[in-house]
Amino acid sequence: AQSVTQLDSQVPVFEEAPVELRCNYSSSVSVYLFWYVQYPNQGLQLLLKYLSGSTLVKGINGFEAEFNKSQTSFHLRKPSVHISDTAEYFCAVSHMNTGFQKLVFGTGTRLLVSP
Amino acid sequence: DVKVTQSSRYLVKRTGEKVFLECVQDMDHENMFWYRQDPGLGLRLIYFSYDVKMKEKGDIPEGYSVSREKKERFSLILESASTNQTSMYLCASSLYPKVRGQETQYFGPGTRLLVL
Repeated sequence: AQSVTQLDSQVPVFEEAPVELRCNYSSSVSVYLFWYVQYPNQGLQLLLKYLSGSTLVKGINGFEAEFNKSQTSFHLRKPSVHISDTAEYFCAVSHMNTGFQKLVFGTGTRLLVSP
Repeated sequence: DVKVTQSSRYLVKRTGEKVFLECVQDMDHENMFWYRQDPGLGLRLIYFSYDVKMKEKGDIPEGYSVSREKKERFSLILESASTNQTSMYLCASSLYPKVRGQETQYFGPGTRLLVL
């Protein structure tokens, strides 16, 4: 079975500072990895995904994540955050199974950006 | 752009009522999903469907049922609503991935349900 651990439930940071949101997963098979963002009162929006190839994945809004197989991690980073990045971020893992994709989500990390 | 719409943003129902949550996607996706989102628990899969009239239980199907009569529409039904079903409900859809990279799930805006 797969599982996802997001180690921080809340991360406060000042505007223009760098940020890292941590995600670790466990799985006995090869996985796909995703980061989604949820702005207040909205659904989830895909930030980036790792399917294969380069372990450094670039996403929207200046975010990137690095897949580390040996550490089973997929941490999300941004070098300089904006107030508008305040949102909840979810890491998710899946593997392909007969054509449909079941996602297993972490519990989320709330990013709070202050001026 | 993929669009997933949900019939209501906010819903208030009484204990014991039958509740229907509707989800429609406009991108001809084969797969559709219903999740509930609760603070500190993340998103948990209730049911999913990979084709018309096909459904599979997710991780927390108890107290819920689903219906998929048309490809674009996936309904979540609470047969007899209870207070512990107060939650945010999110619908999502995705393609049957014939090509790597098509696996992304697209989410609707969510329905916040309050059961009194």
